[in-house]
Amino acid sequence: GAGVSQSPSNKVTEKGKDVELRCDPISGHTALYWYRQSLGQGLEFLIYFQGNSAPDKSGLPSDRFSAERTGGSVSTLTIQRTQQEDSAVYLCASSLAAPRGTQYFGPGTRLTVL
Amino acid sequence: AQKVTQAQTEISVVEKEDVTLDCVYETRDTTYYLFWYKQPPSGELVFLIRRNSFDEQNEISGRYSWNFQKSTSSFNFTITASQVVDSAVYFCALSEANFGNEKLTFGTGTRLTIIP
Repeated sequence: GAGVSQSPSNKVTEKGKDVELRCDPISGHTALYWYRQSLGQGLEFLIYFQGNSAPDKSGLPSDRFSAERTGGSVSTLTIQRTQQEDSAVYLCASSLAAPRGTQYFGPGTRLTVL
Repeated sequence: AQKVTQAQTEISVVEKEDVTLDCVYETRDTTYYLFWYKQPPSGELVFLIRRNSFDEQNEISGRYSWNFQKSTSSFNFTITASQVVDSAVYFCALSEANFGNEKLTFGTGTRLTIIP
């Protein structure tokens, strides 16, 4: 079956612009996670969705970051007023509900803020 | 808070040699899960194994094997008869069973290079 897909694969933007990153999870996966991978910080958790609700947003680095999930499926991560330190690869993962929660990752979106 | 340490930043071995990647974790929970993921040059994280804290049996899958020891908080990964295709960055990760939230805490990764 289809895996997790993310779009765009690459995004170059200017400092101060807003960006939206999209994640399509594996069909039937109720849990969805966003992570960020950067050279300085490694792989970091950002936010967790169960269905359409986000009970854990503790990893979002600032209030410029937000995410939503609709229909228990597609999720969008929005970064407002992008800064150069936001440059990273943003990874999405989905899983079945715990305790069967092995996370399968998408290919990521590489964000470059100029 | 949980923590995962992969002390080996980079390892290079000649093809067909065996190699072990170390992973040490810290957690206060009694129920947790350990993972290994592979990140080849293409960049996508590929799931390799998931182990829960109550199952200390070693696992073997082809040339891959994992040794889980709660006494030393370690979950080491061995590749036997390494191949060039094994070249990648390998991440060890931990999640705590927290009301359905199984967010992963990753180690910093070990870059493995297999020399032909």
